[in-house]
Amino acid sequence: DIQMTQSPASLSASLGETVTIECRASEDIYNGLAWYQQKPGKSPQLLIYNANSLHTGVPSRFSGSGSGTQYSLKINSLQSEDVASYFCQQYYNSLTFGSGTKLEIK
Amino acid sequence: QVQLKESGPGLVQPSQTLSLTCTVSGLSLTSNSVSWIRQPPGKGLEWMGVIWSNGGTDYNSAIKSRLSISRDTSKSQVFLKMNSLQTEDTAMYFCARNSWEGDYFDYWGQGVMVTVSS
Repeated sequence: DIQMTQSPASLSASLGETVTIECRASEDIYNGLAWYQQKPGKSPQLLIYNANSLHTGVPSRFSGSGSGTQYSLKINSLQSEDVASYFCQQYYNSLTFGSGTKLEIK
Repeated sequence: QVQLKESGPGLVQPSQTLSLTCTVSGLSLTSNSVSWIRQPPGKGLEWMGVIWSNGGTDYNSAIKSRLSISRDTSKSQVFLKMNSLQTEDTAMYFCARNSWEGDYFDYWGQGVMVTVSS
């Protein structure tokens, strides 16, 4: 099974800052990667698919990049509504999630 | 619009069987695949299994021996059954639609909390 290692586990940043969350796969996943945002008490919401495609309705301050085994989610101009947990998910071979990153405002 | 909604008992006794239902609207189960995903309190997400649009199923190898997913297309419902429940199966259980373009999830239900306790 493909393992997804996500970092950092938690992150504190100021409003307006740029933050980056990373996921490393245990083998090449050929851009079969999605990112989700989960606010407290809510279900996850799709942000990015195919490593770098922005899902409909997601603000353009969110972007995804990477290839091979290394992928990242970048949030530009951090807003208060971005406080949430973020998860990566590979779907190249079966489906596995990263362990999540909890983002807070400093 | 597309909606998914999970239902089931909030409390299950250890060693018993969990039965959950995902009722969908705005989509047909004969042309859409639906997965079950769970999340223990304060922890990450675990994909459990999928029922494909053709009725076939695939399961997470870690729980495959305990899990069964089925559907009733006439009622737009997907079912999860998992036996031999233990306290570590306490979690929020979500159903979600697999996107047509890849096995990521573009629509999610609100989730149903299941506690395993005597």
